Amino acid sequence: GDSVTQTEGLVTLTEGLPVMLNCTYQTAYSTFLFWYVQHLNEAPKLLLKSSTDNKRTEHQGFHATLHKSSSSFHLQKSSAQLSDSALYYCALRKRNNNNRIFFGDGTQLVVKP
Amino acid sequence: EAAVTQSPRNKVAVTGGKVTLSCNQTNNHNNMYWYRQDTGHGLRLIHYSYGAGSTEKGDIPDGYKASRPSQENFSLILELATPSQTSVYFCASGETGGSAETLYFGSGTRLTVL
Repeated sequence: GDSVTQTEGLVTLTEGLPVMLNCTYQTAYSTFLFWYVQHLNEAPKLLLKSSTDNKRTEHQGFHATLHKSSSSFHLQKSSAQLSDSALYYCALRKRNNNNRIFFGDGTQLVVKP
Repeated sequence: EAAVTQSPRNKVAVTGGKVTLSCNQTNNHNNMYWYRQDTGHGLRLIHYSYGAGSTEKGDIPDGYKASRPSQENFSLILELATPSQTSVYFCASGETGGSAETLYFGSGTRLTVL
């Protein structure tokens, strides 16, 4: 079946260090991949999305590249900021009539001074 | 930006009681969704709708009903609430853009069932 795996439940790092949150997926269909971010006591909101193989997508300092060969869509940032502390969800939607979106379990990012 | 409003923001219910969570969106989106959020489980889909009058079961529909009386409104109903339904519930709407659809979430309802 279709699924999204985020291997880290919690990532803690120091301000200024690079961020990498892992996301791998499983599906037999062509797909769209998404990253949503949820700050404390706020609603989740879209951070970025992609369906193009090997193309880097960027938004608000974050970037991700969909690699269909490895079924991955890792989220990266060159230098973490305190305000990046949030819950990050990777999600997948298949290209077929059923537009269901599948979310991973989420990765909590904590950035410390 | 799309506006999705949920009510109430917080709710305390008793076991066996009926609970209705409401969601309103003002952006004329066809698709609406109900998720619950629990630590370690992420966002799990309960029910969704493709338009007024339609409801579909998501991944965890047991114990929940949904109602979509209009384009703007989508309700989640717990006929007999149980403590296991204590959670944070999010409503979302989405433009009918196929696979690229972006979801717009409400601020959530924190439900506690005693």
